Amino acid sequence: GENVGLHLPTLSVQEGDNSIINCAYSNSASDYFIWYKQESGKGPQFIIDIRSNMDKRQGQRVTVLLNKTVKHLSLQIAATQPGDSAVYFCAESPGTYKYIFGTGTRLKVLA
Amino acid sequence: KAGVTQTPRYLIKTRGQQVTLSCSPISGHRSVSWYQQTPGQGLQFLFEYFSETQRNKGNFPGRFSGRQFSNSRSEMNVSTLELGDSALYLCASSLMGRGGGSTDTQYFGPGTRLTVL
Repeated sequence: GENVGLHLPTLSVQEGDNSIINCAYSNSASDYFIWYKQESGKGPQFIIDIRSNMDKRQGQRVTVLLNKTVKHLSLQIAATQPGDSAVYFCAESPGTYKYIFGTGTRLKVLA
Repeated sequence: KAGVTQTPRYLIKTRGQQVTLSCSPISGHRSVSWYQQTPGQGLQFLFEYFSETQRNKGNFPGRFSGRQFSNSRSEMNVSTLELGDSALYLCASSLMGRGGGSTDTQYFGPGTRLTVL
C-alpha cells in the first residue's frame, strides 16, 4: 500500500535535549501534512499540522518544517521529556478524502 | 466534547468468521475514515465515508466493507476472517474530510484490537 517514508525507525534522545524526527513524503500533490503521536495501547493523537503554503509552523514545544522542494517534513520537539516517548507518524494528504501514513518512528527518551 | 469512540476494544475471532466493528465520531463530524494498523505496515487506509457515502477506499480485498449511518456513526465489517487480518483497527473522524482544498484534521479513536486465531 501507499506509505510515507521515514528515515529513522528508532530515535533515542537524552531528556532535555531537542528531538528531530524526519519524514519523506511521496506525493507532490499533497498539500496538507499532520504529525501524530501514538502511545502504547492508544490511538494516534494529533500534534501539529501544516499546509503546503507554509514552510514552518510552531506549537507548544513542537515545530514542523516543510520542504516541498525535496518533499521532506520534520518534527522538532524542544526539551524532550519522558512523556514524549512514543511512536510518531507523519501523514500527507493529497485531498481525495484520504491521508497516507508511514510506518512511524519510535522516540525513546533516556533519563 | 467526547472524542471518537470505538467498540468493542478487543475482539478474538477464528478464521472464517466475520466481524463488525463500530465507530462513533466526534459530535458534529461527518467524515469517518477507517485504518488498519499492523507492526509491519503501519496505518493502511481502508475507506472514508461522508454523509453515508463512501468517497474513497484503499487497496483491501472485498472482504472489507463499511457503511455510515445518518447520524454519522460508522461500522466496518470483515468477512471470512484470515490470520493476517489480526490488527488494530482505527477509526478517525473529521468535520468534512480531506478534499476540495480543505485542511480538515482527523481525530482518532482508541482502536479495536482484533485477534484472529
